[in-house]
Amino acid sequence: GQQVMQIPQYQHVQEGEDFTTYCNSSTTLSNIQWYKQRPGGHPVFLIQLVKSGEVKKQKRLTFQFGEAKKNSSLHITATQTTDVGTYFCAGGGKLIFGQGTELSVKP
Amino acid sequence: DVKVTQSSRYLVKRTGEKVFLECVQDMDHENMFWYRQDPGLGLRLIYFSYDVKMKEKGDIPEGYSVSREKKERFSLILESASTNQTSMYLCASGSNGANVLTFGAGSRLTVL
Repeated sequence: GQQVMQIPQYQHVQEGEDFTTYCNSSTTLSNIQWYKQRPGGHPVFLIQLVKSGEVKKQKRLTFQFGEAKKNSSLHITATQTTDVGTYFCAGGGKLIFGQGTELSVKP
Repeated sequence: DVKVTQSSRYLVKRTGEKVFLECVQDMDHENMFWYRQDPGLGLRLIYFSYDVKMKEKGDIPEGYSVSREKKERFSLILESASTNQTSMYLCASGSNGANVLTFGAGSRLTVL
């Protein structure tokens, strides 16, 4: 069946450093979504990408959808302590989630 | 503010007990989902429903069943709970269009 893999599983950064998480699907995706889950919270929708090669920005967050629509990335510029949490990608008709990348930020 | 409400935040059950996890959404969404979340495994889809009385198996349906008698309510049932079903259970709903998911706060189930 369809699989969505996400790396790395954990990332520890110093505040101000950049952060990137990568998402790879075993099949072509019609769209990809990104969610953020704060510690102790539930996943909250961030963004959806639909077009091949699409790039979207939300302040310090940059989201990309690969040309082949099988991979995606989330890049955070100059991380802040408020960025702490687990970032998930999800894709496909049944919205299969990746394992998530847990980001910790040291002040 | 749109909401997905899960009836219980924390439950402790014994092996073999029948467990009901209830989820209600007030957004008139067609689609509803049940996931379980375990450390290092992300969110795994148990069942989803795209209409009243309709259900589809996700990736890990074994040991679970669901019920959707009304559009706003989607129930997850553990017929005979086992210790390996100790987990965080997350309900979500989404519309037919974008299918952007709104999650509930989660139900942490411990099976002893």
